[in-house]
Amino acid sequence: GAGVSQSPSNKVTEKGKDVELRCDPISGHTALYWYRQSLGQGLEFLIYFQGNSAPDKSGLPSDRFSAERTGGSVSTLTIQRTQQEDSAVYLCASSFLRGDQPQHFGDGTRLSIL
Amino acid sequence: AQSVTQLDSHVSVSEGTPVLLRCNYSSSYSPSLFWYVQHPNKGLQLLLKYTSAATLVKGINGFEAEFKKSETSFHLTKPSAHMSDAAEYFCVVSDRGGGFKTIFGAGTRLFVKA
Repeated sequence: GAGVSQSPSNKVTEKGKDVELRCDPISGHTALYWYRQSLGQGLEFLIYFQGNSAPDKSGLPSDRFSAERTGGSVSTLTIQRTQQEDSAVYLCASSFLRGDQPQHFGDGTRLSIL
Repeated sequence: AQSVTQLDSHVSVSEGTPVLLRCNYSSSYSPSLFWYVQHPNKGLQLLLKYTSAATLVKGINGFEAEFKKSETSFHLTKPSAHMSDAAEYFCVVSDRGGGFKTIFGAGTRLFVKA
């Protein structure tokens, strides 16, 4: 079946521009996660959505970062006024529930800020 | 609060020899533990998970891990390494403390020599 789909796979933009990254989770998965992975680093949690509950935004690094999840399915991560330190791979994952259910990952969006 | 420590940032083995990737965790509750693998330019793929059933967990591609509560460890092993095993491996812990937040280890890069 279809896995987690992320688009675009690569994005190059100039410093100061806004970017939108998209995530299509696996159908039926109620939990959706965004992570950031800098070169050669582990995963940094950004934000978590679970059903209709308020999202856990505790990992967002600044107010330039925001995310939404429409209709409990597709999610968009928006970075405003991008900075060079925002360059990273942004990974999306989904699962049935938080906790003991494994997360299924997309291949990520590689973001490069010039 | 839960935490996870991967004891080696890099491990190098020869093809056909055993693999051992070490992971220690901290949890105030009965944890769920996972190992994921990440190949270059790909998302993370679940290798195996432990969720309070059998302490020896078998995963895909010949990997297995043993949950040892007394040692708070969840080491990943494989009897014979293959060139295709070269990748980054992440140990992950989740428990109901903090609302089942998922904590990723920093990762261990596995090199396999011919």
